[in-house]
Parts: sequence; C-alpha cells; structure tokens
Amino acid sequence: AQKVTQAQTEISVVEKEDVTLDCVYETRDTTYYLFWYKQPPSGELVFLIRRNSFDEQNEISGRYSWNFQKSTSSFNFTITASQVVDSAVYFCALSGSNTGNQFYFGTGTSLTVIP
Amino acid sequence: DTEVTQTPKHLVMGMTNKKSLKCEQHMGHRAMYWYKQKAKKPPELMFVYSYEKLSINESVPSRFSPECPNSSLLNLHLHALQPEDSALYLCASSTGQGTFSPLHFGNGTRLTVT
Repeated sequence: AQKVTQAQTEISVVEKEDVTLDCVYETRDTTYYLFWYKQPPSGELVFLIRRNSFDEQNEISGRYSWNFQKSTSSFNFTITASQVVDSAVYFCALSGSNTGNQFYFGTGTSLTVIP
Repeated sequence: DTEVTQTPKHLVMGMTNKKSLKCEQHMGHRAMYWYKQKAKKPPELMFVYSYEKLSINESVPSRFSPECPNSSLLNLHLHALQPEDSALYLCASSTGQGTFSPLHFGNGTRLTVT
C-alpha cells in the first residue's frame, strides 16, 4: 500500500524564521519518486522538486532544501529565512512503479508566515 | 504563469444545468488528468487520459463525463450535479503516464453547485 503522512496540519512562523515540513511515506515499491508541491491561495499546485528512491543526496535550491532519508522513510522540506510569499499549503506526494505511477498525496501542511 | 490553462476560473451552476470545464496544454505532454479538490484536502484523482485514451476512471459518478478531443485538450462535461460536487477542479498534464514525470497543474476551476 502507498501512503504519505504529513503530520503537521498547520504551522505558523514569523518571517525570517526557518521552518521544516515533515513527510513520511510508506511503499513496497523498490522504485518510486517523491514530490513536493506548493499550493498558494490562488489554487494552482506548483511543482517544487522530484526525488527518486535511488538518490538520497540532499538538495538545496535557494532558500529551499530537502532531506531524503530512506532509513526513516522521510522526505522533509526546509524553508530558510521564511517570507510571507511562502504562505501556502504544501503537499508531499509519492508515485511508485507497481501502482500505475499514480500520485498519492499527503494531507498537506498549511504554512502561514507572519510578517 | 502556468502552462496548463483552465477555463472558466469560476463557475456557478444549478443542479439541472449542463456545463463544461476546459483544459489546454501546449507542452507536448501525452497524459492529462482531472483532479477534484475539496477545501483543506489533497487533490483526488478522477480521470487519466494517456495518448488521448481514457486509462483511469476512479469510479467517478456518470454525471461527470471526460473528453479528450486531442492531445492538447481535455474537457470535463458536467450534468445534474449535486451541491456536494462543489470543489476546485484541477487539470494536470505530464510527459506520459508511467514516466514518473511531475504533474503540471492548471489554476483550477472553482465550481459551486446551487
């Protein structure tokens, strides 16, 4: 079974603080991909990153960084020096090779950055 | 700006109306998707078209009828909807089903059924 858990429903931080969004996944597939999406109030889901199951190298893109650990089945997302524009709902998603490559979304974490 | 365009942005319809949602992409993607999203929930998959053929129908009621006229266009025809069908309807595309490519979403259509 495929499952993505985002235990943090809502997070509020003050601008310039760092914040980490947690994502824990379950899968029996050996080949799978993990994704993060951002959904601002406008509604569009914006693709942020994709990581495959064979690449545990962490990635940094500007103020964003991702920590993938297969040992704990986690793919956490950190925003450094948060800004008001980071306020959005963030979804973690999983796509596996044995489930028709369907996307399984977590329940999302609503991030509010307070100016 | 999104590369997947959805129209209309907002739609209010009565339970006896017939309306259509439209989606267009010009990225050469061969898979297109309809998702339904209720407030404070993740997107739920409704339909998948792969190479213009319906490949997945997630047991969606027949009052929702998808159509893929060509590789760039995707429609969702609505008829006799219920108030609980009010939601954000998102269209997405990817290079191909089964390729692990990311989904590219449109801005969505906010549908209200009265």
